Amino acid sequence: SSELTQDPAVSVALGQTVRITCQGDSLRNNYASWYQQKPGQAPVLVLYGQNKRPSGIPDRFSGSSSGNAASLTITGAQAEDEADYYCNCRDSRNNHLIFGTGTKVTVL
Amino acid sequence: QVQMVQSGAEMKKPGASVKVSCKASGYTFSNYGIIWVRQAPGQGLEWMGWINADNGNTNYAQKLQGRVTLTTDTSTSTVYMELRNLRSEDTAVYYCARGEKVRYSNGWSGEYFQYWGQGTLVTVSS
Repeated sequence: SSELTQDPAVSVALGQTVRITCQGDSLRNNYASWYQQKPGQAPVLVLYGQNKRPSGIPDRFSGSSSGNAASLTITGAQAEDEADYYCNCRDSRNNHLIFGTGTKVTVL
Repeated sequence: QVQMVQSGAEMKKPGASVKVSCKASGYTFSNYGIIWVRQAPGQGLEWMGWINADNGNTNYAQKLQGRVTLTTDTSTSTVYMELRNLRSEDTAVYYCARGEKVRYSNGWSGEYFQYWGQGTLVTVSS
Protein backbone atom coordinates (compact mmCIF):
# COMPACT_ATOMS: atom_id res chain seq x y z
CA SER A 1 0.00 0.00 0.00
CA SER A 2 1.05 3.63 -0.31
CA GLU A 3 0.41 4.44 3.34
CA LEU A 4 2.73 4.84 6.30
CA THR A 5 1.13 3.71 9.52
CA GLN A 6 2.18 4.89 12.98
CA ASP A 7 0.77 4.27 16.44
CA PRO A 8 -1.39 7.30 17.32
CA ALA A 9 0.14 7.88 20.75
CA VAL A 10 2.80 6.61 23.11
CA SER A 11 3.93 7.71 26.52
CA VAL A 12 7.30 7.45 28.19
CA ALA A 13 8.58 8.23 31.67
CA LEU A 14 11.16 10.96 31.92
CA GLY A 15 14.60 9.49 31.22
CA GLN A 16 13.27 6.24 29.81
CA THR A 17 13.34 4.92 26.27
CA VAL A 18 10.54 5.05 23.73
CA ARG A 19 10.36 3.57 20.25
CA ILE A 20 8.09 4.91 17.51
CA THR A 21 7.40 2.70 14.54
CA CYS A 22 6.36 3.43 10.98
CA GLN A 23 5.11 0.69 8.64
CA GLY A 24 4.54 0.69 4.91
CA ASP A 25 5.57 -1.07 1.73
CA SER A 26 7.53 1.95 0.50
CA LEU A 27 9.98 1.44 3.35
CA ARG A 28 11.29 -1.81 1.88
CA ASN A 29 13.99 -0.01 -0.09
CA ASN A 30 13.68 3.60 1.00
CA TYR A 31 14.94 5.12 4.22
CA ALA A 32 12.41 7.08 6.21
CA SER A 33 13.02 10.56 7.49
CA TRP A 34 11.54 11.62 10.81
CA TYR A 35 10.09 14.96 11.88
CA GLN A 36 9.26 16.38 15.27
CA GLN A 37 6.47 18.91 15.47
CA LYS A 38 5.47 20.91 18.49
CA PRO A 39 2.19 22.84 18.67
CA GLY A 40 2.13 25.90 16.47
CA GLN A 41 5.54 25.18 14.96
CA ALA A 42 6.86 23.90 11.66
CA PRO A 43 8.15 20.33 11.55
CA VAL A 44 11.81 19.80 12.45
CA LEU A 45 13.92 17.07 10.86
CA VAL A 46 15.36 14.81 13.57
CA LEU A 47 16.57 11.76 11.65
CA TYR A 48 17.19 10.69 8.07
CA GLY A 49 18.94 8.14 5.90
CA GLN A 50 21.16 5.59 7.56
CA ASN A 51 20.52 6.81 11.11
CA LYS A 52 21.79 10.35 10.48
CA ARG A 53 20.96 13.33 12.66
CA PRO A 54 21.08 16.95 11.49
CA SER A 55 23.36 19.27 13.37
CA GLY A 56 21.82 20.25 16.69
CA ILE A 57 19.69 17.14 17.14
CA PRO A 58 20.70 15.27 20.32
CA ASP A 59 22.20 11.82 20.01
CA ARG A 60 19.39 10.36 22.11
CA PHE A 61 17.49 10.19 18.80
CA SER A 62 18.36 7.14 16.71
CA GLY A 63 16.73 5.06 14.03
CA SER A 64 16.64 1.71 12.31
CA SER A 65 14.99 -0.05 9.40
CA SER A 66 13.86 -3.63 8.88
CA GLY A 67 11.63 -5.03 6.19
CA ASN A 68 8.67 -2.74 5.70
CA ALA A 69 9.18 -0.84 8.93
CA ALA A 70 11.28 2.00 10.26
CA SER A 71 11.63 3.09 13.83
CA LEU A 72 12.71 6.15 15.75
CA THR A 73 14.05 5.59 19.26
CA ILE A 74 14.45 8.24 21.92
CA THR A 75 16.86 6.97 24.58
CA GLY A 76 16.54 8.94 27.80
CA ALA A 77 13.49 10.97 26.84
CA GLN A 78 13.41 14.57 28.01
CA ALA A 79 10.45 16.82 28.67
CA GLU A 80 11.27 18.81 25.52
CA ASP A 81 10.84 15.67 23.41
CA GLU A 82 7.07 15.78 23.96
CA ALA A 83 5.72 16.40 20.49
CA ASP A 84 4.13 14.80 17.44
CA TYR A 85 6.46 12.70 15.32
CA TYR A 86 5.96 11.93 11.63
CA CYS A 87 7.81 9.54 9.35
CA ASN A 88 8.14 10.21 5.64
CA CYS A 89 9.39 8.50 2.51
CA ARG A 90 8.76 8.44 -1.20
CA ASP A 91 6.53 5.89 -2.87
CA SER A 92 8.76 4.44 -5.60
CA ARG A 93 5.76 3.39 -7.68
CA ASN A 94 4.36 6.84 -8.35
CA ASN A 95 7.11 9.12 -7.03
CA HIS A 96 4.68 10.61 -4.52
CA LEU A 97 5.77 11.52 -1.02
CA ILE A 98 4.00 9.96 1.91
CA PHE A 99 3.82 11.14 5.50
CA GLY A 100 3.01 8.78 8.29
CA THR A 101 -0.14 9.18 10.31
CA GLY A 102 1.82 10.68 13.21
CA THR A 103 2.58 9.63 16.77
CA LYS A 104 1.96 11.85 19.77
CA VAL A 105 4.71 11.31 22.34
CA THR A 106 3.90 12.24 25.92
CA VAL A 107 6.72 12.43 28.45
CA LEU A 108 5.43 11.64 31.94
CA GLN B 1 22.23 30.22 6.35
CA VAL B 2 19.39 28.53 4.49
CA GLN B 3 16.02 30.23 4.96
CA MET B 4 12.59 29.59 3.53
CA VAL B 5 10.29 32.56 4.11
CA GLN B 6 6.63 32.28 3.25
CA SER B 7 4.01 34.90 2.56
CA GLY B 8 1.44 35.89 5.14
CA ALA B 9 -1.92 34.51 6.18
CA GLU B 10 -4.79 34.52 3.71
CA MET B 11 -8.54 34.47 4.13
CA LYS B 12 -10.55 33.35 1.11
CA LYS B 13 -14.12 32.54 0.20
CA PRO B 14 -15.14 29.14 -1.17
CA GLY B 15 -14.47 28.87 -4.88
CA ALA B 16 -11.66 31.43 -4.83
CA SER B 17 -7.95 30.80 -5.44
CA VAL B 18 -4.93 31.42 -3.25
CA LYS B 19 -1.28 31.79 -4.16
CA VAL B 20 1.31 31.35 -1.44
CA SER B 21 4.96 32.20 -1.95
CA CYS B 22 8.10 30.67 -0.47
CA LYS B 23 11.30 32.67 -0.91
CA ALA B 24 14.51 30.68 -0.54
CA SER B 25 17.88 32.10 0.39
CA GLY B 26 21.29 30.95 1.53
CA TYR B 27 21.84 28.32 -1.16
CA THR B 28 21.81 27.79 -4.94
CA PHE B 29 18.10 27.72 -5.65
CA SER B 30 18.21 25.49 -8.72
CA ASN B 31 20.12 22.72 -6.93
CA TYR B 32 17.19 21.49 -4.83
CA GLY B 33 13.59 20.47 -5.15
CA ILE B 34 10.86 22.01 -3.04
CA ILE B 35 7.81 20.33 -1.59
CA TRP B 36 4.58 21.76 -0.27
CA VAL B 37 2.87 20.19 2.70
CA ARG B 38 -0.34 21.23 4.45
CA GLN B 39 -1.79 20.55 7.85
CA ALA B 40 -5.47 21.01 8.59
CA PRO B 41 -6.39 21.96 12.17
CA GLY B 42 -5.68 19.04 14.50
CA GLN B 43 -4.62 16.82 11.62
CA GLY B 44 -1.40 15.32 10.31
CA LEU B 45 0.94 16.38 7.55
CA GLU B 46 -0.30 16.01 3.98
CA TRP B 47 2.06 16.15 1.01
CA MET B 48 0.70 18.32 -1.79
CA GLY B 49 3.37 18.32 -4.46
CA TRP B 50 6.96 18.75 -5.47
CA ILE B 51 8.77 20.97 -7.94
CA ASN B 52 12.25 20.68 -9.36
CA ALA B 53 13.62 24.18 -9.01
CA ASP B 54 16.04 23.58 -11.88
CA ASN B 55 13.71 22.56 -14.67
CA GLY B 56 10.26 23.22 -13.21
CA ASN B 57 9.14 19.59 -13.38
CA THR B 58 6.31 18.91 -10.97
CA ASN B 59 4.58 16.01 -9.28
CA TYR B 60 1.29 16.44 -7.46
CA ALA B 61 -0.71 14.45 -4.96
CA GLN B 62 -3.52 12.70 -6.75
CA LYS B 63 -6.09 14.19 -4.39
CA LEU B 64 -5.17 17.72 -5.51
CA GLN B 65 -4.52 17.08 -9.21
CA GLY B 66 -6.17 19.76 -11.30
CA ARG B 67 -6.50 22.23 -8.42
CA VAL B 68 -2.88 22.83 -7.42
CA THR B 69 -0.02 24.33 -9.41
CA LEU B 70 3.56 24.83 -8.29
CA THR B 71 5.78 27.31 -10.12
CA THR B 72 9.14 28.92 -9.60
CA ASP B 73 10.66 32.32 -10.27
CA THR B 74 14.37 31.63 -10.48
CA SER B 75 15.17 35.35 -10.67
CA THR B 76 13.91 35.78 -7.09
CA SER B 77 14.46 32.21 -5.82
CA THR B 78 10.78 31.94 -5.05
CA VAL B 79 8.39 29.04 -5.31
CA TYR B 80 4.65 29.60 -5.60
CA MET B 81 1.80 27.30 -4.67
CA GLU B 82 -1.56 28.12 -6.19
CA LEU B 83 -4.67 26.27 -5.04
CA ARG B 84 -7.89 26.87 -6.94
CA ASN B 85 -11.57 26.30 -6.28
CA LEU B 86 -11.03 26.50 -2.54
CA ARG B 87 -13.25 24.57 -0.17
CA SER B 88 -13.66 24.78 3.59
CA GLU B 89 -11.60 21.61 3.94
CA ASP B 90 -8.62 23.44 2.40
CA THR B 91 -8.35 25.48 5.59
CA ALA B 92 -4.88 24.58 6.81
CA VAL B 93 -1.36 25.75 7.47
CA TYR B 94 0.68 25.40 4.30
CA TYR B 95 4.43 24.75 4.45
CA CYS B 96 7.22 24.69 1.89
CA ALA B 97 10.39 22.69 2.49
CA ARG B 98 13.66 22.09 0.66
CA GLY B 99 14.33 18.52 -0.36
CA GLU B 100 17.51 16.50 -0.51
CA LYS B 101 17.85 13.01 -1.86
CA VAL B 102 20.63 10.54 -1.21
CA ARG B 103 21.38 7.18 -2.84
CA TYR B 104 23.23 4.71 -0.67
CA SER B 105 25.70 1.99 -1.58
CA ASN B 106 23.18 -0.68 -0.57
CA GLY B 107 20.85 0.47 -3.34
CA TRP B 108 18.45 2.23 -1.01
CA SER B 109 17.37 5.84 -1.36
CA GLY B 110 16.54 8.38 1.29
CA GLU B 111 14.96 11.78 1.03
CA TYR B 112 14.70 14.42 3.69
CA PHE B 113 13.52 17.96 4.28
CA GLN B 114 15.72 19.92 6.64
CA TYR B 115 14.65 23.48 5.86
CA TRP B 116 11.01 24.48 6.23
CA GLY B 117 9.13 27.69 5.84
CA GLN B 118 7.34 29.13 8.85
CA GLY B 119 3.94 28.14 7.52
CA THR B 120 1.08 30.13 6.03
CA LEU B 121 -2.43 29.86 7.40
CA VAL B 122 -5.06 29.77 4.69
CA THR B 123 -8.62 30.07 5.96
CA VAL B 124 -11.51 29.32 3.64
CA SER B 125 -14.82 30.57 4.91
CA SER B 126 -17.92 32.22 3.55
